[in-house]
Amino acid sequence: QKEVEQDPGPLSVPEGAIVSLNCTYSNSAFQYFMWYRQYSRKGPELLMYTYSSGNKEDGRFTAQVDKSSKYISLFIRDSQPSDSATYLCAIRGRGSNYKLTFGKGTLLTVNP
Amino acid sequence: ETGVTQTPRHLVMGMTNKKSLKCEQHLGHNAMYWYKQSAKKPLELMFVYSLEERVENNSVPSRFSPECPNSSHLFLHLHTLQPEDSALYLCASSPTGYTDTQYFGPGTRLTVL
Repeated sequence: QKEVEQDPGPLSVPEGAIVSLNCTYSNSAFQYFMWYRQYSRKGPELLMYTYSSGNKEDGRFTAQVDKSSKYISLFIRDSQPSDSATYLCAIRGRGSNYKLTFGKGTLLTVNP
Repeated sequence: ETGVTQTPRHLVMGMTNKKSLKCEQHLGHNAMYWYKQSAKKPLELMFVYSLEERVENNSVPSRFSPECPNSSHLFLHLHTLQPEDSALYLCASSPTGYTDTQYFGPGTRLTVL
């Protein structure tokens, strides 16, 4: 079983839609959960960071973590064409072990 | 220049060539990373340097050789590569170790013929 599973998509939605992106993980030692956004021909940039179960909101973005199910989600409300990018989940264990484990990324296109 | 820069942005090389990728960070960070990003695969960590000392070498073939002369610069020296090494090579930096957010450069798109 892979450590982090993420559906690569592609996912295509109309402008204004609510987008749900998801990852599952297998290692219960994972404690820190991140979502990175990667535009075409650019490097990933950190979008959301959380370490506890529950929801964290930042503008139109909400990160949700369910440690009991080993499931994390990123919701995008009122999606815009500028949200078109690849979204990568990244997970890390406790302590300075130098290893972020990434999902494959989901390619999202928001159509005007 | 701000953030993390990488040169060249694109590189095409033959299997017998020797080339180097360069990364420079302008953020005052102490840790730097090399990642490989291939289509349909997760980001793969290759090397980590902290305060110019290599602290992670993730079972990378010896045809990839990293160098960190100071905390602002990171190189990846390439020789006798294989076509399957074609990928996007990303450099990242963070203030210290993995407890911090990593900031990525735009990457070098490498094609090995």
